[in-house]
Amino acid sequence: AQTVTQSQPEMSVQEAETVTLSCTYDTSESDYYLFWYKQPPSRQMILVIRQEAYKQQNATENRFSVNFQKAAKSFSLKISDSQLGDAAMYFCAYRSASEGANNLFFGTGTRLTVIP
Amino acid sequence: EAQVTQNPRYLITVTGKKLTVTCSQNMNHEYMSWYRQDPGLGLRQIYYSMNVEVTDKGDVPEGYKVSRKEKRNFPLILESPSPNQTSLYFCASRFSSINPGPWAYEQYFGPGTRLTVT
Repeated sequence: AQTVTQSQPEMSVQEAETVTLSCTYDTSESDYYLFWYKQPPSRQMILVIRQEAYKQQNATENRFSVNFQKAAKSFSLKISDSQLGDAAMYFCAYRSASEGANNLFFGTGTRLTVIP
Repeated sequence: EAQVTQNPRYLITVTGKKLTVTCSQNMNHEYMSWYRQDPGLGLRQIYYSMNVEVTDKGDVPEGYKVSRKEKRNFPLILESPSPNQTSLYFCASRFSSINPGPWAYEQYFGPGTRLTVT
């Protein structure tokens, strides 16, 4: 089974600063999708950003961007101009692009604290 | 509004008392899944369903049952709950990957059900 590793259990960032959350994954497949989910105290899982492995260009969504390094199997999330509302647990996730593949493999999460 | 709903949101029960957590989606998604979230372990898939009457085990299926009699509903059944099933449970759904469009990639999650088994 694929494994997703988030090596930073906790991170903190000063408001308005930039923070990068790390994620690595292990797979033998060439086509897959990668995701970052945000889980605020409400526990709702919110999709932040996604990346298709066949795309070389890094995905961006407003203040959120990724650094996708396919050869290194690395998928980090950069949050720019951090806001208090960014404080949450962040999960990196992997899903195969194979037909019928449904399982999302999650990392163990990184808790982000934003300091006013 | 497109959404996945779960009920109940909170449940405290005792060992051995059968319970069902309901899940319903209004997006006509083919795929539905159940996950459990435990501290330090992330989310792990319990069961999934590719369509009506088609279900299969995920990574941690022991002690759980599911059914998919209708496309919109995917209940999770604990026949004899035990304390090690105390967890936060999420239902999720998405389109089959044969559907075109970027939305096929996204999995929609329900709000979660906090289950405590004493």
